[in-house]
Amino acid sequence: RKEVEQDPGPFNVPEGATVAFNCTYSNSASQSFFWYRQDCRKEPKLLMSVYSSGNEDGRFTAQLNRASQYISLLIRDSKLSDSATYLCVVRNNAGNMLTFGGGTRLMVKP
Amino acid sequence: GAGVSQSPSNKVTEKGKDVELRCDPISGHTALYWYRQSLGQGLEFLIYFQGNSAPDKSGLPSDRFSAERTGGSVSTLTIQRTQQEDSAVYLCASTQGGGRRETQYFGPGTRLLVL
Repeated sequence: RKEVEQDPGPFNVPEGATVAFNCTYSNSASQSFFWYRQDCRKEPKLLMSVYSSGNEDGRFTAQLNRASQYISLLIRDSKLSDSATYLCVVRNNAGNMLTFGGGTRLMVKP
Repeated sequence: GAGVSQSPSNKVTEKGKDVELRCDPISGHTALYWYRQSLGQGLEFLIYFQGNSAPDKSGLPSDRFSAERTGGSVSTLTIQRTQQEDSAVYLCASTQGGGRRETQYFGPGTRLLVL
């Protein structure tokens, strides 16, 4: 089993739709969680950190469920520019290493 | 200011040759990471440098892979006797202090193709 697992997609949604991605992690001692965005042939960039209480940044909402060991990302009112691959990222308890999921590809259509 | 830079941006080599990939982190960043990303895959951790501490080499896939960081700044990833399965994008990232919630800033990567 992979340490961080994501549905690779693609998720094809129309503009304005709400879409949600889940990610599961296997190491219960994981300390920090993030969502990164990666555009085609570009480097990953931090989208948002994921806090235990859940957090929101504009149209994006991230949630963490430690008991079930999953993280979610909700995107409301999808824009064409949201089309990208979304990487779920977990930092281990030693704090040194990030483990990346394989990414979920989102395609927002007009 | 300038971000993380990597060179070369693309490298094509023949199987069996050695390659060197370079990373210039953001000035003042003490932590530096190397990852590789194969086509359609997630990022795979390779090695981590933090200040003057011994590097965490736990992600290096074989002894053909090595990395150095000179003067706490520039890092070089060396792959000896390259194999076709080494073909991937090699990404470097840096953070200011390596803290748990610090953002990792990625360079644009080096696309390596081994023929």
